[in-house]
Amino acid sequence: EVHLVESGGGLVQPGGSLRLSCAASGFTFSRFWMNWVRQAPGKGLEWVANIKEDGSMKYYVDSVKGRFTISRDNAKNSLYLQMNSLRADDTAVYYCATWGATTYWGQGTLVTVSS
Amino acid sequence: QSVLTQPPSASGTPGQRVTISCSGSSSNIGSNSVDWFQQVPGTAPKLLIYSNNQRPSGVPDRFSGSKSGTSASLAISGLQSEDGADYYCAVRDDSLSAWVFGGGTKLTVL
Repeated sequence: EVHLVESGGGLVQPGGSLRLSCAASGFTFSRFWMNWVRQAPGKGLEWVANIKEDGSMKYYVDSVKGRFTISRDNAKNSLYLQMNSLRADDTAVYYCATWGATTYWGQGTLVTVSS
Repeated sequence: QSVLTQPPSASGTPGQRVTISCSGSSSNIGSNSVDWFQQVPGTAPKLLIYSNNQRPSGVPDRFSGSKSGTSASLAISGLQSEDGADYYCAVRDDSLSAWVFGGGTKLTVL
């Protein structure tokens, strides 16, 4: 059975940092581009970043460039999102996902940026 | 303000056919394949259509997708009460070097 399990969310003050993790199981993680997608409370979906199968290519939405870093460890079947200089508008549920002919989504982890 | 424009709401009665549009530009829909997601509030999105018109395993054939030029559409035929959800289009934008989602359409089954 396929699982994507996000962790690392929580309450953080503006300007602070968090590192999200996504543990994958039940499929060959190293064969898929992986994405982080977020959803602010009561808002729509927003793509945040993605990373190629081997980690050689990474893309980000403009609003997080220079603050967030996506990475992966295929040996550990894990995806990460290092989030620095967090702002109130980064508050959202963060999902890790891959989609296409094969699609897997995690259940999401909530990040709240507030003083 | 998303680069992909969807109507904020749509509605239909059980058994009807409903379409949801997604309008973009030459750098996104005009150049790349469109995906569609369904999301019931409080749950993770579910992929309904990929590559404009392909259904993942397990998605009923009541759901279909199409693309023409810089616009795409999701059609739902034989509308059922459980189809009431939020629907999002998504595509890669070559100018932004990023994926973009439409603003979402809330479908109400009357």
